[in-house]
Amino acid sequence: DTAVSQTPKYLVTQMGNDKSIKCEQNLGHDTMYWYKQDSKKFLKIMFSYNNKELIINETVPNRFSPKSPDKAHLNLHINSLELGDSAVYFCASSPPGRGSAYEQYFGPGTRLTVT
Amino acid sequence: GENVEQHPSTLSVQEGDSAVIKCTYSDSASNYFPWYKQELGKGPQLIIDIRSNVGEKKDQRIAVTLNKTAKHFSLHITETQPEDSAVYFCAASLGPGDYKLSFGAGTTVTVRA
Repeated sequence: DTAVSQTPKYLVTQMGNDKSIKCEQNLGHDTMYWYKQDSKKFLKIMFSYNNKELIINETVPNRFSPKSPDKAHLNLHINSLELGDSAVYFCASSPPGRGSAYEQYFGPGTRLTVT
Repeated sequence: GENVEQHPSTLSVQEGDSAVIKCTYSDSASNYFPWYKQELGKGPQLIIDIRSNVGEKKDQRIAVTLNKTAKHFSLHITETQPEDSAVYFCAASLGPGDYKLSFGAGTTVTVRA
């Protein structure tokens, strides 16, 4: 019955590797987001998709590539991982018909550690 | 872009006392202001939000006030309980047509029993 789920919860990998984080929501929302939370707890938007269309693409390295196969899923693929990519990544979603950032629901997060 | 500042960064209160967190924003066009609570090891959870056509909103022990002229908004938690201990984030958005939330840096609230 989880609303927004992410896998894996923890991800430990070495520099230079490629990894993916998956996100699924069963709320019937049509907008999904990826956020990065750094070691100081600061939350910053990375990407957003509305009805599978990319609508927000912040200043994020090209090594990060989101993919939305359908409205319920938004995955994040990261190439050539670097030490600075270590953070907690949160997926979020918001209800349809709002056309805005209203009422975003967050997943439990994926803690990525790059060694 | 929007810049949201949040104070204080840490707040320790005695159980039963009130806690107040304040945020200011830079873009006068912002009109949606949510507050999120993040418990240890979990994702942020929306606890209350306010839109610019409302000056105050209350939900049980939490309330939010908005002063559009001064461009600041505040979260008030009354009768604090140990389970209120968490990191609280304020955020701002331009509203319809803007999918982006700009977050404050967070306030770590500790409720002492």
